[in-house]
Amino acid sequence: EPEVTQTPSHQVTQMGQEVILRCVPISNHLYFYWYRQILGQKVEFLVSFYNNEISEKSEIFDDQFSVERPDGSNFTLKIRSTKLEDSAMYFCASSRKGTGKGRQPQHFGDGTRLSIL
Amino acid sequence: QKEVEQDPGPLSVPEGAIVSLNCTYSNSAFQYFMWYRQYSRKGPELLMYTYSSGNKEDGRFTAQVDKSSKYISLFIRDSQPSDSATYLCAMKSCGNTPLVFGKGTRLSVIA
Repeated sequence: EPEVTQTPSHQVTQMGQEVILRCVPISNHLYFYWYRQILGQKVEFLVSFYNNEISEKSEIFDDQFSVERPDGSNFTLKIRSTKLEDSAMYFCASSRKGTGKGRQPQHFGDGTRLSIL
Repeated sequence: QKEVEQDPGPLSVPEGAIVSLNCTYSNSAFQYFMWYRQYSRKGPELLMYTYSSGNKEDGRFTAQVDKSSKYISLFIRDSQPSDSATYLCAMKSCGNTPLVFGKGTRLSVIA
């Protein structure tokens, strides 16, 4: 069964450094998402991406964050200058385009654990 | 009032028991309701996906949505130790809108 893959599984970075998290969505999916989960807290939405542009973003997704689909398969999340509070699990998700009421569900990768020192 | 509320547990049941997991929500615009299972250090895995009110069954799992009460449930019949995980409810409104998650309920099924 096709799945969303994320690399690396664990990233350790010094505060203030840039980090890029990578995702390969399911191949026939058109909508892409990033979520994060701080330890012990809810999964929170960061950003959605469709047709090569951001569809929606949360308050968390400030100017330090950016997303890109550099080619036909990868979807990346960049954090420009990491802060201690950016430490979390980052999940990529993707979904197909549904028709009418049949909006397709989002499928998640296993995440990247980001640790900021 | 939080948008989606879910009792975090932990919930511990003996093998073979029927498990009932629930979420309440406040946003009447939510139309799509999902249950995800999350094992330790893994991503959320889609279990059930329902649109609007009603029941949906898939093997040992049954999802119920009561939009009038803003209440959703997941039932697990004949629970197994392999069902031990955190169960997340998630919901969204129409269109390409983000999922809003509950905090998750940690379930342990004891052999």
